[in-house]
Amino acid sequence: GAGVSQSPRYKVAKRGQDVALRCDPISGHVSLFWYQQALGQGPEFLTYFQNEAQLDKSGLPSDRFFAERPEGSVSTLKIQRTQQEDSAVYLCASSLEGELFFGEGSRLTVL
Amino acid sequence: GDSVTQMEGPVTLSEEAFLTINCTYTATGYPSLFWYVQYPGEGLQLLLKATKADDKGSNKGFEATYRKETTSFHLEKGSVQVSDSAVYFCALSDRGETSGSRLTFGEGTQLTVNP
Repeated sequence: GAGVSQSPRYKVAKRGQDVALRCDPISGHVSLFWYQQALGQGPEFLTYFQNEAQLDKSGLPSDRFFAERPEGSVSTLKIQRTQQEDSAVYLCASSLEGELFFGEGSRLTVL
Repeated sequence: GDSVTQMEGPVTLSEEAFLTINCTYTATGYPSLFWYVQYPGEGLQLLLKATKADDKGSNKGFEATYRKETTSFHLEKGSVQVSDSAVYFCALSDRGETSGSRLTFGEGTQLTVNP
């Protein structure tokens, strides 16, 4: 596609449910990033992939968060046993050389 | 670690007013600096960037100069328009071997321009 595509755009989950958020990066982009943006805050880094390799996962807030990119293209961010503090917009970005291109984000609300 | 501090918002201006949004940073290396803009209902878009000291980034009438001596990258526009209403984020990238182009963002500044 022309840009980074994320789905679902909106997700409401009950506390304790598992959720999966998908990111389709721009075709051919080697690098893929996930960020978490809480309401009224700037995005915060979660994890980084270069092709299928997860090179940095230092920003994942707990072991309930897991990300994968098995074929070096589409990526999935999984959150297990969601908590209210997980409510945020989850942004995916991809890049080939330098500039990051962001998707519109997946807004997660945990009740 | 790296950090970015932006002036607190929200900022409300009249059309054609002069805009400054302050941004200062802390970094251990020699980062690249960015301004991103987020229009209502849209994803983050790169507005401008500067990759080394004294570089000036510019786009759509916006400018920012990389000032190493004051560790600043203030965003300016001489005459704002209603269509500039958005949230503006200052960010830095301290490219590392395992971090790629990982960005550290400020908290964002909401700009509203009234006709």
